[in-house]
Amino acid sequence: AQSVTQPDIHITVSEGASLELRCNYSYGATPYLFWYVQSPGQGLQLLLKYFSGDTLVQGIKGFEAEFKRSQSSFNLRKPSVHWSDAAEYFCAVGAQAAGNKLTFGGGTRVLVKP
Amino acid sequence: GAVVSQHPSWVICKSGTSVKIECRSLDFQATTMFWYRQFPKQSLMLMATSNEGSKATYEQGVEKDKFLINHASLTLSTLTVTSAHPEDSSFYICSAPEVAGDGYEQYFGPGTRLTVT
Repeated sequence: AQSVTQPDIHITVSEGASLELRCNYSYGATPYLFWYVQSPGQGLQLLLKYFSGDTLVQGIKGFEAEFKRSQSSFNLRKPSVHWSDAAEYFCAVGAQAAGNKLTFGGGTRVLVKP
Repeated sequence: GAVVSQHPSWVICKSGTSVKIECRSLDFQATTMFWYRQFPKQSLMLMATSNEGSKATYEQGVEKDKFLINHASLTLSTLTVTSAHPEDSSFYICSAPEVAGDGYEQYFGPGTRLTVT
């Protein structure tokens, strides 16, 4: 079975500062990894995904993530946050062998201080 | 990119009634769709996998007789919450996968907020 852990429930960061959100997964083989963002009352928006190849993945809105197999991690980073980045962020893992269904982490709520 | 729609976007119903939520893939075919439930300030929990032409597969703990799923065509799946109760109030989100490069990408609907009074 696949599982995802996001250790940080809340993160507060100043506008312009860097941001890193942690994600650890458990899966027997190489999974498909995703980061989504959700604004209050809204649906999910895909930030980036990793299937294979280059372990540093670039996404939208200036986000990037690095897949580290040895640490079973897929941490999300942004060099300089904007007030509009305040939202809930979800890491998810999936696999074709698991019927393509996604398992989500608990989410990290990001607050941005002016 | 591909688009998934949901209807309605919000619904209020009385306790004991049934509510149907539609999930459509607008520009691609989906033999499989997924239904998730999200309580306030919580993550998404997979409820079931909707399979076109066959029965849905429910996750452990999800009552199949309460949450009826029908995958009527390659672009439409419906979730019916039967005999709804206040504890069924939640945000319901569907998704459909499509092959993308070496893997696949899930396209999510905008969600349906159900309030049972």
